Amino acid sequence: GNSVTQMEGPVTLSEEAFLTINCTYTATGYPSLFWYVQYPGEGLQLLLKATKADDKGSNKGFEATYRKETTSFHLEKGSVQVSDSAVYFCALSGGGGSYIPTFGRGTSLIVHP
Amino acid sequence: GAGVSQTPSNKVTEKGKYVELRCDPISGHTALYWYRQSLGQGPEFLIYFQGTGAADDSGLPNDRFFAVRPEGSVSTLKIQRTERGDSAVYLCASSLEGVGTEAFFGQGTRLTVV
Repeated sequence: GNSVTQMEGPVTLSEEAFLTINCTYTATGYPSLFWYVQYPGEGLQLLLKATKADDKGSNKGFEATYRKETTSFHLEKGSVQVSDSAVYFCALSGGGGSYIPTFGRGTSLIVHP
Repeated sequence: GAGVSQTPSNKVTEKGKYVELRCDPISGHTALYWYRQSLGQGPEFLIYFQGTGAADDSGLPNDRFFAVRPEGSVSTLKIQRTERGDSAVYLCASSLEGVGTEAFFGQGTRLTVV
């Protein structure tokens, strides 16, 4: 079945540091890939997505590229802010014909001033 | 409504009691999903509705869990004979059908079984 593996957190950075959160997946076919974010006290919301190989999703300075050859969708940001502190979830859907989103366990990001 | 609405936001119940959790999806979204999220974990799939029917209920942990969506809109997750291990945040999401469509989540219901 489909699965998503994320690097364990927490990831602790100083403001303006470079961020990478690794995500790899297992799926049949050609799934769509997503990053969701959960800010403290809020629900999950979509951060960015990519629907086919080599697509790059981007939003709020975050980027991730769909790499089919390495089955990866790593999240990056060049300069993090304190307001980026949240839990980030990698997810996929559409692999093997199923639209049900499958999530990783989440990676907590803590950004210090 | 503007987003996915879940009620109640918090529920404390005694072991062995019955609980119902409600989800009101975004109008026009045909797909509805229930997930369970434990501390430090990602959302764990429970059940998926396409319209009024449960298209996939393979994630329900046992027969104490049941969900309905009788008119293809509001859904209710029902848990019988609750156990302390059922304590978690229960998330509901809705989406349009199709490749690459995003799921919109509610704020969740935090269930505590004491």
